[in-house]
Amino acid sequence: GAGVSQSPSNKVTEKGKDVELRCDPISGHTALYWYRQSLGQGLEFLIYFQGNSAPDKSGLPSDRFSAERTGGSVSTLTIQRTQQEDSAVYLCASSLARGAFSYGYTFGSGTRLTVV
Amino acid sequence: AQKITQTQPGMFVQEKEAVTLDCTYDTSDPSYGLFWYKQPSSGEMIFLIYQGSYDQQNATEGRYSLNFQKARKSANLVISASQLGDSAMYFCAMVDPRSGYNKLIFGAGTRLAVHP
Repeated sequence: GAGVSQSPSNKVTEKGKDVELRCDPISGHTALYWYRQSLGQGLEFLIYFQGNSAPDKSGLPSDRFSAERTGGSVSTLTIQRTQQEDSAVYLCASSLARGAFSYGYTFGSGTRLTVV
Repeated sequence: AQKITQTQPGMFVQEKEAVTLDCTYDTSDPSYGLFWYKQPSSGEMIFLIYQGSYDQQNATEGRYSLNFQKARKSANLVISASQLGDSAMYFCAMVDPRSGYNKLIFGAGTRLAVHP
């Protein structure tokens, strides 16, 4: 696609429920990243995919968080048993293979997650 | 450890004037890249400008320029001829070279308000 697409744009869920957030990167971008932005804060790295593998999961805050990527394209971030502290904007970004970082990432518009 | 510091939580500027947003970074690696992103109220992250650590000249992109002072480890963003549409959050970020890929570390951001 022309840009990075994320869905849903907004999600309100009850505490304890599971949620899935989707990211569709730019076609041809092999690298995909998930970040979290809490209210008024900077961006916190969650996970990095190169193709379908995730060589860096170091930012996932707990084992309730998981992510996968299929076909070298779409990625899903899953949060199980959501807690109120999970409320944040979840941003996905993609880029060409590593080494092309002078072009930066292209970010999606994010999913605003609210846990009530 | 790599770190980005933005000491100005908020700035305001009069329309058509220039404004400088501060960014300092900390790294022991000789090779790194620095970015500035704009985040309007709509939430998307917009790539503005990039500076490589070995670049001889300061980066410029239209009204944006990066005042890169390597010895002082600063990478300030200068916006010339401010426009009302420049009102947004601005984030400074750095590629973490030790990550082996394009992991970006972000500062806390500066909120810029442009007044008519």
